Amino acid sequence: GENVEQHPSTLSVQEGDSAVIKCTYSDSASNYFPWYKQELGKRPQLIIDIRSNVGEKKDQRIAVTLNKTAKHFSLHITETQPEDSAVYFCAPPTDSWGKLQFGAGTQVVVTP
Amino acid sequence: EPEVTQTPSHQVTQMGQEVILRCVPISNHLYFYWYRQILGQKVEFLVSFYNNEISEKSEIFDDQFSVERPDGSNFTLKIRSTKLEDSAMYFCASSGQGSEGYTFGSGTRLTVV
Repeated sequence: GENVEQHPSTLSVQEGDSAVIKCTYSDSASNYFPWYKQELGKRPQLIIDIRSNVGEKKDQRIAVTLNKTAKHFSLHITETQPEDSAVYFCAPPTDSWGKLQFGAGTQVVVTP
Repeated sequence: EPEVTQTPSHQVTQMGQEVILRCVPISNHLYFYWYRQILGQKVEFLVSFYNNEISEKSEIFDDQFSVERPDGSNFTLKIRSTKLEDSAMYFCASSGQGSEGYTFGSGTRLTVV
């Protein structure tokens, strides 16, 4: 079955601190794990993704780590800035080709 | 950078009326999708479309919904008889490789009154 859990639902951090969001999935066939950022009133935008043959991927201040055994992957944002404030969604694909299943989202608020 | 274009950006309609939401996917993409997002909630899958037919649809996508690719460039979502609970942001997306390389449109905010 399809089950995606994302934690926490809200995250407040001081500017410059790190933020970590965790996503747990149930579909063993998943081999692609994206994270999307959605600013208020805007479209979801892919910010980083990882494939199952890799344990970690980094892009400047953003990184994603994957633990396939435990079936979870995490988004890490370092040196947070006010423009990082947004809702972040994990969206692992399901066993259906092309279909993404979004987590419930994490509202990140970065305070100056 | 190529974009997925959606029109209109905002549609207000009376309950029971038909609406058509329009999307122009990225030209060399083969997979097309509609998602919806009720205000403050997560993004929910509605339907996927490939090779001129529906690949999969969710339980939300009932008989009131239909999709079409009428002319090789547009991809439309029709709601035959709108209900109050259809009020949401509707996002079109396209991809060249299934779940990878998704590009979302800017969305159509549908308000049913």
